[in-house]
Amino acid sequence: QSAPTQPPSVSGSPGQSVTISCTGTSSDVGGYNRVSWYQQPPGTAPKLMIFGVSNRPSGVPERFSGSKSGNTASLTISGLQAEDEADYYCSSYASSNTWVFGGGTKLTVL
Amino acid sequence: EVQLVESGGGLVQPGGSLRLSCAASGFTFSNFRMHWVRQVPGKGLVWVSTINSDGSTTKYADSVKGRFTISRDNAKSTLFLLMNSLRAEDTAVYYCARDGNNYNLDYWGQGTLVTVSS
Repeated sequence: QSAPTQPPSVSGSPGQSVTISCTGTSSDVGGYNRVSWYQQPPGTAPKLMIFGVSNRPSGVPERFSGSKSGNTASLTISGLQAEDEADYYCSSYASSNTWVFGGGTKLTVL
Repeated sequence: EVQLVESGGGLVQPGGSLRLSCAASGFTFSNFRMHWVRQVPGKGLVWVSTINSDGSTTKYADSVKGRFTISRDNAKSTLFLLMNSLRAEDTAVYYCARDGNNYNLDYWGQGTLVTVSS
């Protein structure tokens, strides 16, 4: 149960786009279309932003999108806003009713 | 409105035990798988355990297997995590979360802090 790899930090200016990667293995990210992304501002609980690789829950802005290629999933945030500054975590189902989270990425809006 | 409220955290000595509770409301609790996820302050999220909707199937992360037990009371819409043989490395904020039936955690509680220290 090793954690998928995410970059520790990414940054961008307001209006720009950023992409956060999540690299796992064929036993988790690559093996299932069951990747989710969570946003966690400081001092708050995580919030679901993307599920099933590329689906947005109701209320999540269209600026947030997800994709996957092989063992790597990606979260793209376009039209960056100051309120997007937070930690972001990927998660994947990993067989036999287990789940795994990535190490997390801190997004800074410059 | 879906609400998940954890309780039961606190300070416990190494080797001790603690039982966390998660009171659910705003949805039909018995229809959903539930999870526990923990987070050392300043660090990342770590999946801990899951239980299916009727409580018949449970699963644990290797780091807690044999020490933690997840359970639920569907009549009282409450999820539990019994933690035994606690270690310093179990110190974390523990979140309960609902599985949205799409292998994702769609609602989270506010978390309860567990501190294991002498």
